[in-house]
Amino acid sequence: QQQVKQSPQSLIVQKGGISIINCAYENTAFDYFPWYQQFPGKGPALLIAIRPDVSEKKEGRFTISFNKSAKQFSLHIMDSQPGDSATYFCAAVYSSYKLIFGSGTRLLVRP
Amino acid sequence: EAGVAQSPRYKIIEKRQSVAFWCNPISGHATLYWYQQILGQGPKLLIQFQNNGVVDDSQLPKDRFSAERLKGVDSTLKIQPAKLEDSAVYLCASSSGQGRYEQYFGPGTRLTVT
Repeated sequence: QQQVKQSPQSLIVQKGGISIINCAYENTAFDYFPWYQQFPGKGPALLIAIRPDVSEKKEGRFTISFNKSAKQFSLHIMDSQPGDSATYFCAAVYSSYKLIFGSGTRLLVRP
Repeated sequence: EAGVAQSPRYKIIEKRQSVAFWCNPISGHATLYWYQQILGQGPKLLIQFQNNGVVDDSQLPKDRFSAERLKGVDSTLKIQPAKLEDSAVYLCASSSGQGRYEQYFGPGTRLTVT
C-alpha cells in the first residue's frame, strides 16, 4: 500500500525541549526514508534521511530512529529552537525514485 | 549551485480559465517532478520525467492537466480548464537520478482558482 501515516498533526514544544514526530508505513518495497522541512512560502527542503538497513542516523540536533520490523520511523529534534518552527514531512521512496509524503506535522517551538 | 527555479510565484485565475507554470531544474539533473500540495497536506506527485521522457503520469488528471519537458531541461505544467479544486501550490523538484534519492524542491507556484 502506497501510504505513509504521520502523527501528530501539530506539536507545541518549549525551547530546549525534544520534538518527536512519528511515521508508519506498510509497503516493504520502500527503500529510502527522508524527512523534509517546509517553511511558509517555501518548498520542502531535505533535512535528513535513512535507509531501512540502518536503525538510527544522527545529524546535529536531528535524529531518525528506524524500526524495520514495526515499519515505523521517527524524527527527534533535540534542544528544539524557535527557528525549528516549521512543517515537517516524513516520506518514503518507491519505484523509480518516486516520493510519497506523510500528511505533515506543524511544529511550534515556544521561546 | 543555483536551486530549482519556478515562475510565477502566485497566480489567481477564474474557473474554466487556463494557466501554465514553468520550472527550471538544477543544472545537470536528469529527473524532474511536478507535485501538487493542497493546503494542510503533503505534496502529491503528478508527473515524473527522466530527461524529456515521461516515467510516471498515473496521478496526472489528463483531461485537464498536461506537462512537457522539451530538450530535457525546462518543464511546463498546464491546466485547462481550471477547477476550484485545483487551488494549491504546484511544486517542481529535480534529482540527479544517478542512483541518488535526494529531490530538491523549488519555491512553488501558489494557484488560486476563484
